[in-house]
Amino acid sequence: EADIYQTPRYLVIGTGKKITLECSQTMGHDKMYWYQQDPGMELHLIHYSYGVNSTEKGDLSSESTVSRIRTEHFPLTLESARPSHTSQYLCASSVNRGYEQYFGPGTRLTVT
Amino acid sequence: SQQGEEDPQALSIQEGENATMNCSYKTSINNLQWYRQNSGRGLVHLILIRSNEREKHSGRLRVTLDTSKKSSSLLITASRAADTASYFCATAEVIKAAGNKLTFGGGTRVLVKP
Repeated sequence: EADIYQTPRYLVIGTGKKITLECSQTMGHDKMYWYQQDPGMELHLIHYSYGVNSTEKGDLSSESTVSRIRTEHFPLTLESARPSHTSQYLCASSVNRGYEQYFGPGTRLTVT
Repeated sequence: SQQGEEDPQALSIQEGENATMNCSYKTSINNLQWYRQNSGRGLVHLILIRSNEREKHSGRLRVTLDTSKKSSSLLITASRAADTASYFCATAEVIKAAGNKLTFGGGTRVLVKP
């Protein structure tokens, strides 16, 4: 098991709520990523970071935002959750770009 | 359309049989990786094959890469019930503005029946 953690594992919230999904890793990796995985299994990169104070949007447009104030911590925030945000969110990290990524267990978000 | 596309989308086999799944991609790559995802969990890295390699083995896994056809295959030999999972290929493209982000395919669901 990789040393990368996500909390909560499951979250059910009402529309309009602000939420933060936590992701932490203890491997000292500079590169971290957020993916959204739809029910059809395909993974979409929504945010990535190559180091502290560096964040970029991924290939799939997302209303979420991220921050990277510490190397080990890469939280994702939704200011106002909507049912369309219902999905599985996976956090990952890597030593180098384009090489092995270590994934957390995921957060399954349901917005009612 | 996505960079990596996998075939088949789903595969059902008996324990002890071999499972083969394929991945096709569109652009030049630095490497291609295979990951496994058990239900409700994150992905786990299985194997990486570089663009100058043609075949790689890891335990019961065998990966081939044909850069001329832009395709790869993952073979799981002597499958076990514990191999039941979804399998994803991921490509690290040569030219990317941000440098070698991985792009994942849609996955193959494998069911190994005891």
